[in-house]
Amino acid sequence: KAGVTQTPRYLIKTRGQQVTLSCSPISGHRSVSWYQQTPGQGLQFLFEYFSETQRNKGNFPGRFSGRQFSNSRSEMNVSTLELGDSALYLCASSLGGAATYEQYFGPGTRLTVT
Amino acid sequence: ELKVEQNPLFLSMQEGKNYTIYCNYSTTSDRLYWYRQDPGKSLESLFVLLSNGAVKQEGRLMASLDTKARLSTLHITAAVHDLSATYFCAVISNFGNEKLTFGTGTRLTIIP
Repeated sequence: KAGVTQTPRYLIKTRGQQVTLSCSPISGHRSVSWYQQTPGQGLQFLFEYFSETQRNKGNFPGRFSGRQFSNSRSEMNVSTLELGDSALYLCASSLGGAATYEQYFGPGTRLTVT
Repeated sequence: ELKVEQNPLFLSMQEGKNYTIYCNYSTTSDRLYWYRQDPGKSLESLFVLLSNGAVKQEGRLMASLDTKARLSTLHITAAVHDLSATYFCAVISNFGNEKLTFGTGTRLTIIP
């Protein structure tokens, strides 16, 4: 069974640009969650999508957005990039809500903002 | 807001020694995870602890959960170099959002 895949794996952008990251969950998983990992703030929850609906959202500005498609693939978008957005972005998929089902993490996208 | 604290943040230990990493959390939870992360890599699930008194063991690692004390421990027995990594605990609150709240992580270095 294929695991969670994320593309691209590495990305370099300039301040002010926008970026879109993609996550393909494990087949049959309907929930996708996104996390940001930085040395200063650690691992922080961004949002969770289930059946194309955002169910939960973390404490991030509106520049961070996401969506989920009917095949459960998810994208997250960051607009007007700032230097502080440099991070490892991880997505995790699960059969359902995290309170009941284990989450499986993808390899991550390393975003560098210059 | 759920807070998850791990200690120590950094741990350097010799091969063959035993040590324990602690994870304290601030609100009621019946679901706690331990993850391992190697440098530049993603998170690898180690244990899922679902009830008070739960204990799980895999190789030289053993995790336990005390929901009344809001405490989980990850015990390392006779450490070997391959266990060098950063270890995270993550908790889901019984109230509110179904999201993982992570601890700060413990960077473990095993010295030969």
